[in-house]
Formats: sequence, structure tokens, C-alpha cells
Amino acid sequence: RKEVEQDPGPFNVPEGATVAFNCTYSNSASQSFFWYRQDCRKEPKLLMSVYSSGNEDGRFTAQLNRASQYISLLIRDSKLSDSATYLCVVTTNTGNQFYFGTGTSLTVIP
Amino acid sequence: DAGITQSPRHKVTETGTPVTLRCHQTENHRYMYWYRQDPGHGLRLIHYSYGVKDTDKGEVSDGYSVSRSKTEDFLLTLESATSSQTSVYFCAISEDRVKEAFFGQGTRLTVV
Repeated sequence: RKEVEQDPGPFNVPEGATVAFNCTYSNSASQSFFWYRQDCRKEPKLLMSVYSSGNEDGRFTAQLNRASQYISLLIRDSKLSDSATYLCVVTTNTGNQFYFGTGTSLTVIP
Repeated sequence: DAGITQSPRHKVTETGTPVTLRCHQTENHRYMYWYRQDPGHGLRLIHYSYGVKDTDKGEVSDGYSVSRSKTEDFLLTLESATSSQTSVYFCAISEDRVKEAFFGQGTRLTVV
């Protein structure tokens, strides 16, 4: 079983729409959680960390559900510039590496 | 942006030749990682380092070796390149194993 699983999509949404991505993780000892954004042929860039209480950064909201072992990313009022692949990332308190989901592709349509 | 530089950015090499990719950081972060990214597989860890001369294998380490003789440099070597090693290689750094990672711009390697 993969450490982190994501729906690959693609998600095609109109401008202004709200879209949500979910990601599940298998290791209950997972400690830190992140969402990264990756544009085509570019490096992944940190979008936001995910905290237990949930956190918001402008149009982006991230939530963590430890009991069900999933994290989510909500994007409100989608912009064309939000088109990218969104990667879910998890670390554990015993390992020395980051575990990446395969990414969810988002295209925002005019 | 975090100070990470990968070199070369693009390389075409022949099967059987040795190849070394370099990752250089100016952040003095303890952890450094090499990943490869292929369609359908996402990012897969090749090797990582948790300090000078301290390295360990990731999930796809066969055919690769690494060295870290200085905090700022992490080298990835393909001893004898094969076509299956054609990929995009990303270096990443992290201050702590549970803090966010920052990525270099990637090296696009083609083995012909």
C-alpha cells in the first residue's frame, strides 16, 4: 500500500469555482503534512503546511483529519493561475524522508 | 526562494557512461534529498543525507550512489547510465525531517 494516495484527477473547473482535493495517508505515526504545487516542467513549491486545527491562506484552506488519516485542500474562487498539479506530502516522526502523493491535476477554464 | 542550485540543468548522455549531478545549497540545512520524477510514479526518493558523510538509501537507489563531503553539496552519481534512468531529477533540502522541504529547479537527464 502506498504511503500517500491522491485522486489524480484531472479536475477541470470554471473560473470562480470552488474545488476540493483529498489525500489519504497510511501511517498513523505521520507527523507533518503539506500541500505543494507543481507547474508543468517545474519544481514542486510549498503551498502550505497543514495543521491539526486547520489553516487558511487567502483562498486556500487546508484541513487534517487524523482519525480518518486524510488531509484536504480547498480552493475558493479559482483563478486561471491556479492550474497546476497539487501534491500531498507527509512525513513521519520515525523516518527521514518525505512521502509524496502522485499529485492531482487541476485546470481552471476561462 | 531557498538557495538551491542543481547542475547541470539538462544533460544527454550515452548508455554505460558515468554521470554526476550536483546539488548545492546556501541555507546550511542538515537534510538533503535526491528524487526522480517520472510520469505515473510521482516523486520517488533515491538517496538522502542527514549530515556530512551521513547518507541512506531511498526506495529506488539501485544504480545510484551519493556523496556529501560538505554541508552545502550533495552529489548523485549514476555509475553506468541506463535508459531507465532517463528522468527528471530533483534535489531537495530541509532544515529538519519534519519541516517543509525546498526543491531545486531539477535536472532533465536523457540516456540514449
